[in-house]
Amino acid sequence: DAGVIQSPRHEVTEMGQEVTLRCKPISGHNSLFWYRQTMMRGLELLIYFNNNVPIDDSGMPEDRFSAKMPNASFSTLKIQPSEPRDSAVYFCASSLEQWRTGELFFGEGSRLTVL
Amino acid sequence: AQKVTQAQTEISVVEKEDVTLDCVYETRDTTYYLFWYKQPPSGELVFLIRRNSFDEQNEISGRYSWNFQKSTSSFNFTITASQVVDSAVYFCALSSNTGANSKLTFGKGITLSVRP
Repeated sequence: DAGVIQSPRHEVTEMGQEVTLRCKPISGHNSLFWYRQTMMRGLELLIYFNNNVPIDDSGMPEDRFSAKMPNASFSTLKIQPSEPRDSAVYFCASSLEQWRTGELFFGEGSRLTVL
Repeated sequence: AQKVTQAQTEISVVEKEDVTLDCVYETRDTTYYLFWYKQPPSGELVFLIRRNSFDEQNEISGRYSWNFQKSTSSFNFTITASQVVDSAVYFCALSSNTGANSKLTFGKGITLSVRP
């Protein structure tokens, strides 16, 4: 079975450029999460979708960040304009009934470097 | 507010040693779940175990064991006879059962290095 698929795996861009990260959750999962991992702050939840609807975006750092989930099989996280402090590994995770089980299935992450 | 504290940041052991990774949590909820995830050098996060707040039985799975104690708000993870392949970052996490808005809060992680 295919797991959570993220693209790109690595992205190097210059400050001010737009970055779009993509995620395909596991088929049938109804919850999708975007996390950011840095050395300083560890794993932070950015946004959480349930049945394609954003439930909690309180972790999105600022207006430069936006996330969409147009259908059950695809989500994007966009940063515009990007800044060096956005450099991190961004993980997408999906789950079936997260609030009951809490078992998340993570993708391999997208490593973003903003120069 | 939920909080997970992993006071140890890095642990280094020699192969075959036992090692315990500590986790202390804070929550006001009476129903919650605790987790351990493993992040090997390849980067992906792998689910290891989930416990709910009503089940304080310790669990053993091969060389892994978990000790859940509500009295001290701790959920510690022990690896017996460690192996080089156990080298990874280990995260403890907490989720409360408060409906669809439940979040999974992670600790900062513990980097375990197992030397041959």
